Formats: sequence, structure tokens, C-alpha cells
Amino acid sequence: DAGITQSPRHKVTETGTPVTLRCHQTENHRYMYWYRQDPGHGLRLIHYSYGVKDTDKGEVSDGYSVSRSKTEDFLLTLESATSSQTSVYFCAISESNFGGEQYFGPGTRLTVT
Amino acid sequence: RKEVEQDPGPFNVPEGATVAFNCTYSNSASQSFFWYRQDCRKEPKLLMSVYSSGNEDGRFTAQLNRASQYISLLIRDSKLSDSATYLCVVNPSGNTGKLIFGQGTTLQVKP
Repeated sequence: DAGITQSPRHKVTETGTPVTLRCHQTENHRYMYWYRQDPGHGLRLIHYSYGVKDTDKGEVSDGYSVSRSKTEDFLLTLESATSSQTSVYFCAISESNFGGEQYFGPGTRLTVT
Repeated sequence: RKEVEQDPGPFNVPEGATVAFNCTYSNSASQSFFWYRQDCRKEPKLLMSVYSSGNEDGRFTAQLNRASQYISLLIRDSKLSDSATYLCVVNPSGNTGKLIFGQGTTLQVKP
């Protein structure tokens, strides 16, 4: 299995509070991604990174920001959490941006009350 | 219309059965196609890529029909361990890594 960890694995927070999710990889892959998964929608890309300090928006980026200061770490921040951001968040990595082989972390279950 | 559409199921089949899933995509310029598998409350994992010529990996066969814009996955001799959700995935551009996932088709294999 690819070396990807996510922290925390579970979190309950209140509306309006900031939340940061961490993705850490030991594979030295260049590309990293944040997705959210909701019933009826499948996985949707939030943000992705193609190198240190290089990031871009995905399909559902509103309300989220990211940072990547080191190859191994990709942080997802919800500046002011809302109930609509209750979801399962997956981080993924890939060696190349061609094709479709991405390796996923175990996920973070976030509940915003 | 969703970019990638799948019948969510569930498909309930007995062990040993053959089952097929289809998936349609809307962007005719899409470059590459994949099936991922996701077990309950786990992360998705790549099952196989889908090539224009079709490809087979053991009991699994994937096919692509570009003219009709659909992808299929055939599972022969179903095992209990095949129970999972199968995600159809499309890479529209081929060079950004920005994959589009279908919502998945759930398969339950019964003894």
C-alpha cells in the first residue's frame, strides 16, 4: 500500500470554526489531491497540487483553501466550517498527471454541527 | 446531466454469477478511463484501466465504446469478496490528473 496518512481520521466541529485536515505521504509523489465524497455525488475534486507551493482549484473549491510547503504534506483548511461541508475527505497522490492511477489515503470523516 | 453516470444498484447476485456494469460519460473528448473499487468505509483503489481494445485481468473484463460513450465492467464467477462499490472514472483531458468519478455501482454477492 502507498504510504499515505490522513489526520485526524474523525472530527466533529461546530459551524463557524476553522478546521485543518492533513495529508502526509512518504512516496515522494509530485501530485496530491483533496476530494470529498458525499452520497449521490461520488468523489469530487476540491483542490490539487502539482508541486511545492503550486496548487489549483478543483470542481468544488469554494469554502476551502490548501497549502503545500513540503512535498510530503498537503493541508486542507475550512476557514469557517458549515454544515454543508460535513463529508468524508480523501487525499490522493500520483506520480504523474497523465492517466488515472491515484493512491488514496484512508479518509477523514468530518461532521459539522 | 452528470459527466459520468452509473446505475447505483445495488446489484445482488449469487456466487458464481456473471455480472456487468455500464457507465456513460458526457465529454466525447475524454482521454482515459478506469474502474476503481471501494470497499465499505474504505478508500478507493484502482481496479483496472480501460483501453479501446478492451482488456482483461483474470475474472474482470473492461471495455470502452467511444462511439456510444460508455464503459463496461464484466465480472465472471463472482466471489463473496467481490462485494464492493465499483467506481467508473474518466480523465477528460489526460494531462491534469483531474479525474471525474461516477457515484459508483454497489455489488453484493450472496452465498
